[in-house]
Amino acid sequence: DAGVTQSPTHLIKTRGQQVTLRCSPKSGHDTVSWYQQALGQGPQFIFQYYEEEERQRGNFPDRFSGHQFPNYSSELNVNALLLGDSALYLCASRSQGYEQYFGPGTRLTVT
Amino acid sequence: KQEVTQIPAALSVPEGENLVLNCSFTDSAIYNLQWFRQDPGKGLTSLLLIQSSQREQTSGRLNASLDKSSGRSTLYIAASQPGDSATYLCAAPDMEYGNKLVFGAGTILRVKS
Repeated sequence: DAGVTQSPTHLIKTRGQQVTLRCSPKSGHDTVSWYQQALGQGPQFIFQYYEEEERQRGNFPDRFSGHQFPNYSSELNVNALLLGDSALYLCASRSQGYEQYFGPGTRLTVT
Repeated sequence: KQEVTQIPAALSVPEGENLVLNCSFTDSAIYNLQWFRQDPGKGLTSLLLIQSSQREQTSGRLNASLDKSSGRSTLYIAASQPGDSATYLCAAPDMEYGNKLVFGAGTILRVKS
């Protein structure tokens, strides 16, 4: 049983560009959350998707958007990249239970 | 608004020592608390999930306790090994937005051989 998978592993972008990160949830999970983790800090909640809709959103600007597909996979899009967007982006999934399972993350570097 | 604090920020111990990592949270109405391990540059591995109805949860050499009344949780690691070196994070749900996890900044553990 594959756990949560994310792609790509690493990504380097230039300021002002746009980026799309992808996540496939653990088998049987229908809810996907995205987190941003800056170096030396705990992860910060970006948003959560369930039934292809954004259900909750953290304190992130509209430059951060997402999507969930019918197969429960999800994308995180970030427009107009800033140097401060450099971070590890983590995807987490869960089913009806509360335990969340995290993927390996995507390391985004903005230059 | 849920806030989570972890103490100490870093810990260095000799191999074989028993140790305790501390986590405190401000909103005690939580229904669970989760402990994670993170290796450098990697994702999070779930270690233990403690439900609000439980006081303790054990997995191998790890034992986590939860005291909602005091807003505290501890992670006890017995007979530490160099392979335990990692960052340990605790996370509690934001009860205003129950599915959102609020993380502490983590405790960086180094076990010396």
